[in-house]
Amino acid sequence: AQSVTQPDIHITVSEGASLELRCNYSYGATPYLFWYVQSPGQGLQLLLKYFSGDTLVQGIKGFEAEFKRSQSSFNLRKPSVHWSDAAEYFCAVGARGSGTYKYIFGTGTRLKVLA
Amino acid sequence: ETGVTQTPRHLVMGMTNKKSLKCEQHLGHNAMYWYKQSAKKPLELMFVYNFKEQTENNSVPSRFSPECPNSSHLFLHLHTLQPEDSALYLCASSQDSAGGNTGELFFGEGSRLTVL
Repeated sequence: AQSVTQPDIHITVSEGASLELRCNYSYGATPYLFWYVQSPGQGLQLLLKYFSGDTLVQGIKGFEAEFKRSQSSFNLRKPSVHWSDAAEYFCAVGARGSGTYKYIFGTGTRLKVLA
Repeated sequence: ETGVTQTPRHLVMGMTNKKSLKCEQHLGHNAMYWYKQSAKKPLELMFVYNFKEQTENNSVPSRFSPECPNSSHLFLHLHTLQPEDSALYLCASSQDSAGGNTGELFFGEGSRLTVL
């Protein structure tokens, strides 16, 4: 069965510092991978996605992620964090089940940014 | 009009009440989803509809009853809920096709449900 693991529940970084959020997935075929961000009281917004091709993908708000098949990972990075990046981040894998396409989410990583 | 709209944003109901959550998407997508988001838990997929047909019911209790009259509208009818059903209910849509889905989920802002 497909699954997504985000090992870090909380991460705190200082503004201007670099950021890496970890994501590991379990899926038998080539995965479709996503990172979403959720601000308090809001829905989820897509940051970036990987389907195929270049394993380093660029997203919105200066985020990027790298797909590493050998490690079953899709870690999210940002070179310099801004206070407005404080939110919860979700990694997801897309998979086709018996019917419609399904999206499996990790438990999320809550990011706190120190001024 | 935003892509996916959910109403109401907040709902408080007693255990004996009957209420409904509404979701509308203006993106022309053919698949719609209900997710439940509880504290400290992963997003739980509840139901999936594709072209108005239910294609996924993730062992959801019968006190939750979905309805999808067309590809743009999705409802979640609620009755005799329990306090543990209090959560943020998120609606999402995507474009699914027989050849594969290379799209992503577009989410609404959610309906925060509190069951007393």
